Amino acid sequence: ETGVTQTPRHLVMGMTNKKSLKCEQHLGHNAMYWYKQSAKKPLELMFVYSLEERVENNSVPSRFSPECPNSSHLFLHLHTLQPEDSALYLCASSQFSGGSYNEQFFGPGTRLTVL
Amino acid sequence: AQSVTQLDSQVPVFEEAPVELRCNYSSSVSVYLFWYVQYPNQGLQLLLKYLSGSTLVESINGFEAEFNKSQTSFHLRKPSVHISDTAEYFCAVSSGSARQLTFGSGTQLTVLP
Repeated sequence: ETGVTQTPRHLVMGMTNKKSLKCEQHLGHNAMYWYKQSAKKPLELMFVYSLEERVENNSVPSRFSPECPNSSHLFLHLHTLQPEDSALYLCASSQFSGGSYNEQFFGPGTRLTVL
Repeated sequence: AQSVTQLDSQVPVFEEAPVELRCNYSSSVSVYLFWYVQYPNQGLQLLLKYLSGSTLVESINGFEAEFNKSQTSFHLRKPSVHISDTAEYFCAVSSGSARQLTFGSGTQLTVLP
């Protein structure tokens, strides 16, 4: 595997289900990100992890719960979602060093549909 | 705070015609600028970036973008498009030590035969 991988690629779940999205980066980076991409809207940054510590959380509802067990893996745990949470969820990684630019590498995304 | 505005949500163009996708940004500090491309059912791929130096940057597939500080713009251009260029294009800005990339809302480029 190379780059950033995400599983599953597609997920359909009911509002009472619990599921998890997985992201893995094979680039040796030290920062990972979750984005939400909805139609006709800018990408929304949800969470940022740097060196396995969550450093930013853009006021995301608590029904989304991230987990970063090590620098290569990132999870997004989902529970009691709403239909408006249906979107493409993108994972990204970067090699962050303070004061430098931040080129992010993206995975293919998980297309989530909440019924 | 920083923001990005992509002025056109949809740009249809005929094959072999030139195209310009517009991007304007606002930031109170020096910025780094990026264009990403997203093909159907895929994630975002970096197309080109401006970090410093020459204000004109080029990609390997014929796109170019020019950083214009006075107009706070970073428009993307290609002199002759191909059907395979059909995709959504996102402009993004990052400033200094910010971990965040701020994205525009995207421009769907559709190349018509």
